[in-house]
Amino acid sequence: DTAVSQTPKYLVTQMGNDKSIKCEQNLGHDTMYWYKQDSKKFLKIMFSYNNKELIINETVPNRFSPKSPDKAHLNLHINSLELGDSAVYFCASSHLAGGRSTDTQYFGPGTRLTVL
Amino acid sequence: GQNIDQPTEMTATEGAIVQINCTYQTSGFNGLFWYQQHAGEAPTFLSYNVLDGLEEKGRFSSFLSRSKGYSYLLLKELQMKDSASYLCAVRTGANNLFFGTGTRLTVIP
Repeated sequence: DTAVSQTPKYLVTQMGNDKSIKCEQNLGHDTMYWYKQDSKKFLKIMFSYNNKELIINETVPNRFSPKSPDKAHLNLHINSLELGDSAVYFCASSHLAGGRSTDTQYFGPGTRLTVL
Repeated sequence: GQNIDQPTEMTATEGAIVQINCTYQTSGFNGLFWYQQHAGEAPTFLSYNVLDGLEEKGRFSSFLSRSKGYSYLLLKELQMKDSASYLCAVRTGANNLFFGTGTRLTVIP
């Protein structure tokens, strides 16, 4: 069984379009995240949701809007796509950290977004 | 801001031992993680340190010195399949996980 899944795996679209990436986890975690990995392979946190509430919102353009319908899902909607949005987007999940190794974040397979 | 430094690339020979260093300066510390990422795949968890000292897990060990802001990942008996990027990440506060740029390890025969 896939622990953290994302769809689609690949997404190619034109500048100016609006697109969504979906993420689901079946690990029973209460916290989910979105990361962006750029062409230099630098992995950076974008958002974190705990029990459907936003707890981290790093400096991300407001064209990016996360939506969490329930604890097992965290979707990422992107408006007015730009060339610089091309990257791999990873979803992850964990329990809310309390200094335990069981609070490790588990990553989905990634969505490679290409904006033309 | 958060600053996490790792060497960009390393090369080592099959069967050898390699040490990948990570230094960090962060606002807050709640554990240090090492992840492995093969090309085109998701990062996968390798190890976690929150107290000073060495954690051993099979061929992989990780060390932490909080006073020095320093960690290393030690890989023994290198195999070709260990060729991957190794990401050092520091957790600050509740769940903020900040990653270094990763070290791309190439294992050669």
